[in-house]
Amino acid sequence: GESVGLHLPTLSVQEGDNSIINCAYSNSASDYFIWYKQESGKGPQFIIDIRSNMDKRQGQRVTVLLNKTVKHLSLQIAATQPGDSAVYFCAESNSNSGYALNFGKGTSLLVTP
Amino acid sequence: ETGVTQTPRHLVMGMTNKKSLKCEQHLGHNAMYWYKQSAKKPLELMFVYNFKEQTENNSVPSRFSPECPNSSHLFLHLHTLQPEDSALYLCASSQVPSVNYEQYFGPGTRLTVT
Repeated sequence: GESVGLHLPTLSVQEGDNSIINCAYSNSASDYFIWYKQESGKGPQFIIDIRSNMDKRQGQRVTVLLNKTVKHLSLQIAATQPGDSAVYFCAESNSNSGYALNFGKGTSLLVTP
Repeated sequence: ETGVTQTPRHLVMGMTNKKSLKCEQHLGHNAMYWYKQSAKKPLELMFVYNFKEQTENNSVPSRFSPECPNSSHLFLHLHTLQPEDSALYLCASSQVPSVNYEQYFGPGTRLTVT
């Protein structure tokens, strides 16, 4: 069936470096993508989203890139900080699924000093 | 704080017990969701309520029974659970229709079935 997945389950980066978290999806009808951050003991929190009519969107220290040709999504975090340590989830949706989000497994980001 | 609260935060129950999870959203949204989060698995959508009407039930066993008395409150009634039901149960809300699909999550209830 359709799936959303992440290439790496864990990612370790040094404080101050840039982080890149990748996500692949398989549903050609996906037209909306969203990244969430989940810290220990908390629910997922919205980071940034992007529609399929865009290939890049920037937020504060974060950038999402969308490559529809290869069905790939990435989240870039600039100047990674210890507070960025968390599990990051990508999710996709499309107009045929109502407003339901289909989540990937998550990547654990560990920022080391 | 996301505007979505869940109680209790932790729950331990036996397989023969009956308990309920509560979710409340203070965002004025009209859609609410229950998700199950197990270790090393993607978030699993369980139930969706739009305007208090259940619009989705993703083949969830009948030992899980949702209730949505109004657009601000959502319950998940639990009975005769199995150990494999131990997980983090997350509630979320959103506004539909909307220009985006962002859902706001509560902190979750950590459920342990013994």
